Amino acid sequence: EAGVTQFPSHSVIEKGQTVTLRCDPISGHDNLYWYRRVMGKEIKFLLHFVKESKQDESGMPNNRFLAERTGGTYSTLKVQPAELEDSGVYFCASSPRLAGIHYEQYFGPGTRLTVT
Amino acid sequence: DQQVKQNSPSLSVQEGRISILNCDYTNSMFDYFLWYKKYPAEGPTFLISISSIKDKNEDGRFTVFLNKSAKHLSLHIVPSQPGDSAVYFCAARRNSGYALNFGKGTSLLVTP
Repeated sequence: EAGVTQFPSHSVIEKGQTVTLRCDPISGHDNLYWYRRVMGKEIKFLLHFVKESKQDESGMPNNRFLAERTGGTYSTLKVQPAELEDSGVYFCASSPRLAGIHYEQYFGPGTRLTVT
Repeated sequence: DQQVKQNSPSLSVQEGRISILNCDYTNSMFDYFLWYKKYPAEGPTFLISISSIKDKNEDGRFTVFLNKSAKHLSLHIVPSQPGDSAVYFCAARRNSGYALNFGKGTSLLVTP
């Protein structure tokens, strides 16, 4: 079974440009999450999809970030326009969905975003 | 406001000895706790978890202890092996949601 995959693995863009990150969750996982780790800090939650619906987007830093999950499969996270403080590693994770059961989240390898 | 804290950025242990990684949390609404292990250039990998209704969970060489009154949990690795060298993240989840709250991580080095 393939794990969570993310593309690209590394992106270097200039301030003001747009970048789109992609995440393919484990097949059959309804829950999809985005997290971000800024250098030297903790991994922080950005948002949570259940299928194609945004369940919790309380961690999204501002309206320059737009996440989508059309059809409930892969997800994209767009940053437009990018700022210097957006640099960091963006992780995607997925988990199955069964009521009342705790499941760990399976993480992808991350996309390292560098904004210059 | 960081709700999960790992106050030791690094730890060095000799092979065969016990590694103890500590984690403190502030939010009493957390009811599920996880430890993740991370190698460079990879995503975090789930290691072990514990529900707030338990005080201990064991899986092979890994044991997690939870002290709810102290809002403290620890991960014990016995015996430690060089392959255990990685960054270990403590994470916690509230009973009303799915989002994980992570600590900053502890870098463990197991020396031969």
